Amino acid sequence: EPEVTQTPSHQVTQMGQEVILRCVPISNHLYFYWYRQILGQKVEFLVSFYNNEISEKSEIFDDQFSVERPDGSNFTLKIRSTKLEDSAMYFCASSPIGGTGELFFGEGSRLTVL
Amino acid sequence: EDKVVQSPLSLVVHEGDTVTLNCSYEVTNFRSLLWYKQEKKAPTFLFMLTSSGIEKKSGRLSSILDKKELFSILNITATQTGDSAIYLCAVKPTDSWGKLQFGAGTQVVVTP
Repeated sequence: EPEVTQTPSHQVTQMGQEVILRCVPISNHLYFYWYRQILGQKVEFLVSFYNNEISEKSEIFDDQFSVERPDGSNFTLKIRSTKLEDSAMYFCASSPIGGTGELFFGEGSRLTVL
Repeated sequence: EDKVVQSPLSLVVHEGDTVTLNCSYEVTNFRSLLWYKQEKKAPTFLFMLTSSGIEKKSGRLSSILDKKELFSILNITATQTGDSAIYLCAVKPTDSWGKLQFGAGTQVVVTP
């Protein structure tokens, strides 16, 4: 069964460093998303991406965050200068155009900022 | 402010018991409500509900939506240890395709 894959599964970084989290969405999906879950808190929407541009973003998704689809398969989330409070599980998700609307989530990338 | 509230926060049951999980919402521009199961990492999709009163079933799981009273329930009958997980409820608004607003989840532990 097709699935969303994410790398790395866990990354430890120093505060102030740049981090890139990578995702390979399901191949025929056209909508892509990033969500995050801080330990013990709710899953929160960060950004949605369609047709090579951001279609919606939350207030969390400030200037330190950016997303990119550098080629036909990868979808990346870059955090420019990490802060301690960026420590979280980051989930990538995708959904097909014209589908019933459910999002398919990847296994997540755990980011730990020291 | 939009809210999605799940109850209970957690529960422990014995194998074979029936579990009922609740999700209430106060969301403007409601389009649909989704249930996900989160075992270790990735939330996996269970149901999407758009219309009131129509039960969705998948094996021992079923769910229903009440758009008048603004809640949904997820039932799990004849629970098994493999049902142990966090069950997440999320609401999708009409003015967004992928911006789900999640509840805090209900942690279900099924003991042998």
